Amino acid sequence: DIQMTQSPSSLSASVGDRVTITCQASQDINNYLNWYQQKPGKVPNLLIYDASNLETGVPSRFSGSGSGTDFALTISSLQTEDIATYYCQQYHNLPLTFGGGTKVEIK
Amino acid sequence: EMQLVESGGESVQPGRSLRLSCTASGFNFGNYAMNWIRQVPGKGLEWVSVLTWNSATRGYADSVKGRFTISRDNDKKSLYLQMDSLRVEDTAVYYCARDRDIFAESYYFDLWGQGTLVTVSS
Repeated sequence: DIQMTQSPSSLSASVGDRVTITCQASQDINNYLNWYQQKPGKVPNLLIYDASNLETGVPSRFSGSGSGTDFALTISSLQTEDIATYYCQQYHNLPLTFGGGTKVEIK
Repeated sequence: EMQLVESGGESVQPGRSLRLSCTASGFNFGNYAMNWIRQVPGKGLEWVSVLTWNSATRGYADSVKGRFTISRDNDKKSLYLQMDSLRVEDTAVYYCARDRDIFAESYYFDLWGQGTLVTVSS
């Protein structure tokens, strides 16, 4: 199975900060990588698919990059409504696997 | 409005069985692959199983393979998860989630239900 390792597991940043979350796959997954946002008490929401494609309706301050084994989710200017846990997910192989999550808080 | 509603979660003893259901509305259910994903409260996401729109492909997490069975009834717009030989570590909120693209195995999830809680405890 492909293991997905996210870092950091949590971070605290100020409104307006640029925030980057990384995700590393245990093997080459090409660009078969998605990102989700899960706000407290809510279900996950698809942000980015195919590593860098912004899902319809997602604010443009979110962006994704990477290919192969190393990926990143960047929030260009952190907003209070971005408080959430973020997960990466690979779909290169079954079983599909998620990263452990990164909890983003406001400083 | 597109919606997924799960049901069937309850508290059961280890070794028992449970069947979860997910009923869709507001979209053409039969055109989409569907998944089960679970989450221990306060913990991360774990993909459990997928079934393609035509039932041609089934996939399972290693942790549930041989114990769980996914199925669907497109006429009833419903997805099911038969859970046998339940273990304490199967305790979680179970979500059904739709693949984003029709007639495909896109494996990214754009519509989620609110989840149903399964508790396995003696």
